[in-house]
Amino acid sequence: QVQLVQSGAEVKKPGASVKVSCKASGYNVTVNYMHWVRQAPGQGLEWMGWINTNSGGTSYAQKFQGRVTMTRDTSISTTYMELSRLRSDDTAVYYCARVGPGDWGQGTLVTVSS
Amino acid sequence: SYELTQPPSVSVSLGQMARITCSGEALPKKYAYWYQQKPGQAPVLVISKDSERPSGIPERFSGSSSGTIVTLTISGVQAEDEADYYCLSADSSTTYWVFGGGTKLTVL
Repeated sequence: QVQLVQSGAEVKKPGASVKVSCKASGYNVTVNYMHWVRQAPGQGLEWMGWINTNSGGTSYAQKFQGRVTMTRDTSISTTYMELSRLRSDDTAVYYCARVGPGDWGQGTLVTVSS
Repeated sequence: SYELTQPPSVSVSLGQMARITCSGEALPKKYAYWYQQKPGQAPVLVISKDSERPSGIPERFSGSSSGTIVTLTISGVQAEDEADYYCLSADSSTTYWVFGGGTKLTVL
């Protein structure tokens, strides 16, 4: 069956960068878009962007443009989300997701603290 | 920027019908997706493409669309349906996606 397995929790200092990975299995990874979504503690879901896993094309929410980069390595069925210049309000659980089929990773907690 | 609007909360008695709405300008042209999220868990897709129910989702969950409003209906609400519900859709160019603010469903 389809699985999206994300990398483990991270603790970062303000100003640093974090790179979260999402390894896919159980389907042709070049077929779909991969979306990234985050959820701050006690808050709602926030769409960050998508990557076309075939072409590598991307679209980022305006809020994150200039700070987020989404990439993929099709040879290992993995997509990446890197967020730079971290602030304390970037503390959240970050998810990769195939929106249409409804497949989500387990989430990666990123904590930004000095 | 594009926005989807949901009511913050909906309360319904056990066994009754719950309706959660989501409004957005592009919804007549773009599909909406509905997610259920329980505390500490990843979201679960309950309705795809306005009205399609994924495999494994109970029949009491249904979706509909009318103009700029999409609606998630839960018929015969069960205690386990108490959760946060989010709609998700794209703007008219399908470049940017957005979640509604979420609706907390309380089962009385």
